[in-house]
Amino acid sequence: SQKIEQNSEALNIQEGKTATLTCNYTNYSPAYLQWYRQDPGRGPVFLLLIRENEKEKRKERLKVTFDTTLKQSLFHITASQPADSATYLCALQRNFNKFYFGSGTKLNVKP
Amino acid sequence: DAMVIQNPRYQVTQFGKPVTLSCSQTLNHNVMYWYQQKSSQAPKLLFHYYDKDFNNEADTPDNFQSRRPNTSFCFLDIRSPGLGDAAMYLCATSGRQGMNTEAFFGQGTRLTVV
Repeated sequence: SQKIEQNSEALNIQEGKTATLTCNYTNYSPAYLQWYRQDPGRGPVFLLLIRENEKEKRKERLKVTFDTTLKQSLFHITASQPADSATYLCALQRNFNKFYFGSGTKLNVKP
Repeated sequence: DAMVIQNPRYQVTQFGKPVTLSCSQTLNHNVMYWYQQKSSQAPKLLFHYYDKDFNNEADTPDNFQSRRPNTSFCFLDIRSPGLGDAAMYLCATSGRQGMNTEAFFGQGTRLTVV
């Protein structure tokens, strides 16, 4: 079965720096890979989607890369702000509308 | 605003006493999902509906059932909650069967079993 791995250790960075989060998966490559933000006690909120034939996607301060050879996606937040502090989840989508999530990485941005 | 609404936000139930969690959506989406999320863990897909077609995950316990009486509403029934069923339950929707759509989540229901 598909295994999705995200760094369970929190990432602590200084405001203004670039945060880079990693999502690795095993087995088959998903058709789509998505990134979500989750705040404590809340449901995840969609951020970005990237297709298997795309290398990179950008949206404002966010950038996602997708390497199907390495079976890895990287999620970057540039010029990070304390308000970016949250848990970031990656989700893989292959069959129909099924989404399978990683456990997320907690990001702490210090002022 | 169009959204996914879960009720209640917090639910306390007794061990073994059936409980129902509710989800409604104003997005008119075809697909609705139920996820279980325990602390610091990944949301785990329990089942999903495409319209009225029900799709169960292979490892979802029989203790968990679901109903979708119409497009807007979906219910999660836990027939005999155990202590291990304490978790956040997340309802989500997406727009159509196929790809290239994101999931819209509700705020979740935090279930406590006493």
